[in-house]
Amino acid sequence: DVKVTQSSRYLVKRTGEKVFLECVQDMDHENMFWYRQDPGLGLRLIYFSYDVKMKEKGDIPEGYSVSREKKERFSLILESASTNQTSMYLCASTLWDRWNTEAFFGQGTRLTVV
Amino acid sequence: AQSVTQLGSHVSVSEGALVLLRCNYSSSVPPYLFWYVQYPNQGLQLLLKYTSAATLVKGINGFEAEFKKSETSFHLTKPSAHMSDAAEYFCAVSRMNTGFQKLVFGTGTRLLVSP
Repeated sequence: DVKVTQSSRYLVKRTGEKVFLECVQDMDHENMFWYRQDPGLGLRLIYFSYDVKMKEKGDIPEGYSVSREKKERFSLILESASTNQTSMYLCASTLWDRWNTEAFFGQGTRLTVV
Repeated sequence: AQSVTQLGSHVSVSEGALVLLRCNYSSSVPPYLFWYVQYPNQGLQLLLKYTSAATLVKGINGFEAEFKKSETSFHLTKPSAHMSDAAEYFCAVSRMNTGFQKLVFGTGTRLLVSP
């Protein structure tokens, strides 16, 4: 059974903290993605990675960075958390540049910044 | 640029009634289109996908969608709703950007099923 695992289901952090969200996939997928999900806005792409140490900005990268040191692991970093980053964060992975490939999602991390 | 629009943030049906969730796409090239479902407190899972092989696509749990190029639509239907279908549904289009595939999602439609 294929899996994308996010390290935390729920997180509460304080404003200004550095926050790490971790995602691991066991499918040997090349592509990994971080999305943010907010009511009425759907899923918006923050960053994606197509290979180890390679990354590309998505549609809303401001305030975030990412790290991919190993193929199976993709981390999202909030350098200095702010209340407007309170959201549901979803990690996904897909095979290499196949238009019609399926994306597999993790369970999501609900982050609250207070 | 490829995008999708979902009409209606909430749809309410009675158990046993027809489910119709609307999705229109905008694409300058033949699109690859997807429907995903998200159950409460879970990630997204694929319901079905259109990849130009057939215009009527059957998915899991009795759902299907029809690609209509003339209407730029990819609406999701199910003949008879079950209580277990209550979830949020997302339409998505595959977009290539600098050589890499990305999924662009609609804003979602929450399906409510009443007894």
